[in-house]
Amino acid sequence: SAVISQKPSRDICQRGTSLTIQCQVDSQVTMMFWYRQQPGQSLTLIATANQGSEATYESGFVIDKFPISRPNLTFSTLTVSNMSPEDSSIYLCSVDSYGGEQFFGPGTRLTVL
Amino acid sequence: AQSVTQLGSHVSVSEGALVLLRCNYSSSVPPYLFWYVQYPNQGLQLLLKYTTGATLVKGINGFEAEFKKSETSFHLTKPSAHMSDAAEYFCAVSNSGTYKYIFGTGTRLKVLA
Repeated sequence: SAVISQKPSRDICQRGTSLTIQCQVDSQVTMMFWYRQQPGQSLTLIATANQGSEATYESGFVIDKFPISRPNLTFSTLTVSNMSPEDSSIYLCSVDSYGGEQFFGPGTRLTVL
Repeated sequence: AQSVTQLGSHVSVSEGALVLLRCNYSSSVPPYLFWYVQYPNQGLQLLLKYTTGATLVKGINGFEAEFKKSETSFHLTKPSAHMSDAAEYFCAVSNSGTYKYIFGTGTRLKVLA
């Protein structure tokens, strides 16, 4: 299984600012995913990030708000732009595997004041 | 469209008792099914998965689940609960041909001494 790290693990930010979250994998993977988990809720897929192409966003999520980079096969970033308190969530990245399952990072806990 | 329903947002069991967490899905194509566990302030850990083959799948920590196509269910069980099983459990479904997950709303398991 892949080992995934995320930075930062948590942050407290002011409204109107932006935060970039990093996701690093210890092996090359085809697809990386970004999820949002709002307080007390389940996970919602934000976008799928493929290396060498633009990310594919799910309904309700736009590139201007959540720009994503995927410069190589082991790294991706998600930026939460122009934050508001409603963006307070846990943001998780995950990667695919040949077995069909996804492996998840530990998450970034974001609080927006 | 696929969907996942987890009955019971909160389940309490006594230590040593049977654990049963329910998951029903809808899918127009053969599904891949997954159970994940999330401990406080951590990411998601894969417990077990069903892709093809044997319908009774065994996972880590003594958990198992049975895929019942006729009932569109994938319930998670463990014969004897341990205090360390207290966590949030998520059921997820994906199409066999894609990596896109749909998550259930989660079930928080409480184990009573």
